Formats: sequence, C-alpha cells, structure tokens
Amino acid sequence: AQKVTQAQTEISVVEKEDVTLDCVYETRDTTYYLFWYKQPPSGELVFLIRRNSFDEQNEISGRYSWNFQKSTSSFNFTITASQVVDSAVYFCALSEEGGSEKLVFGKGTKLTVNP
Amino acid sequence: KAGVTQTPRYLIKTRGQQVTLSCSPISGHRSVSWYQQTPGQGLQFLFEYFSETQRNKGNFPGRFSGRQFSNSRSEMNVSTLELGDSALYLCASSLGLPRNEQFFGPGTRLTVL
Repeated sequence: AQKVTQAQTEISVVEKEDVTLDCVYETRDTTYYLFWYKQPPSGELVFLIRRNSFDEQNEISGRYSWNFQKSTSSFNFTITASQVVDSAVYFCALSEEGGSEKLVFGKGTKLTVNP
Repeated sequence: KAGVTQTPRYLIKTRGQQVTLSCSPISGHRSVSWYQQTPGQGLQFLFEYFSETQRNKGNFPGRFSGRQFSNSRSEMNVSTLELGDSALYLCASSLGLPRNEQFFGPGTRLTVL
C-alpha cells in the first residue's frame, strides 16, 4: 500500500534560516513518482517538483533543493535562506505506475517564516 | 494560458441536500482529478477522469460521484450531504500522460450545516 509520512506538523523559523522538510514514503512498486506541492493561505496547491524513482540525482532550483534517497525511502526538501513568502503548508505526494494520476499525499508541514 | 477554474468558490448547504461542483481544466488537459481536503484527513483522492471515463476511484461512499464531458470539463456531485462532507474540494488537471504534473484549481469550500 502507498503511504507518505511527513512527521513534522509545524515548523517555525526566522527569516534567512535554512529549513528542511522531511518526507518518507512507502510503496511496493519499483516505478513511482514523488512530488512536492506548496499550499499558501489562498488554498491553491502549487506544483514544485516531480521526481521519478529511477532518478536519484539531487535537484536545486534557486533557494529550493531536494534530496531523494531510495535507500531510506526519503525525499526531503530544503529551503535555503528562507523568506516570509515561503510561509505555507508543504505537501509531499506519491504516485505509482499505472493508468491513473492518483496522488497520495502526506499530511503536510506548515512552515511559518517570521521576519 | 488560463489555469484550472472551479465554481462556485464557496457553498453553504444543509444536511440532506445535494451539491454539484464544477471544474474546467487547463486547455488541452484531458485528465481531471478531484480531491477532498479536511483538517482531520488531509488531502484524499476522490476520483479521476480521463477522456470522459473514470480511470480511478478513491475510498469514498457512493454519494460521491462525478463525470467528465467531451470538452474535458468535469463535475462532481455529492448527494444526501452530511456534516462531515464539509471540506475544501480541489480539482486538478493534467495532460494525462504518465505522471505529468497536476495543476490544481483554487478549490470549492463546501460548508454543510
């Protein structure tokens, strides 16, 4: 069965601090996809990244970076030099191979960046 | 390019009523998925439609149903509303090719009194 665990319910940091959001997943499939989404207070989920199970390269996009480790079934997300605008709920999600776009989401981590 | 639109944005209903929510995907997208978001259960998959066919369904009672039209627009219906159906209902669209990113709409906030 698919499962995504985001153990950190809430994180509070001061602006310019680095912060890492943890994501651990469970799946029996060898082919799967992992995603991160951001949900600002407005409510709309914003796509951040997609990674397939065969690509373990870390990725950096500006202040955002992602660390995918199949050995520990983790797909962690780091924000460097956080800003107030980064305040949001962040969701990690898993999609397995097959003819469906179904996403299984973690419970989310609420990040508050204080000025 | 216009994003995913959902109507209405807010809805207040009473127990026992039924409700229909609408979702217009991004132009060219053929897959539409629906999710329910509540504080207790988080984001849960309801169903997905691709080219007017339901491709997958989550673990929700039969009171929840949906459909997709030939222009890819989708509707979901909830009959005999219960208090626990109060939630943010999110619609997402994608090209429908394997594991393309899904783009979400702003959601419909349903309150059941």
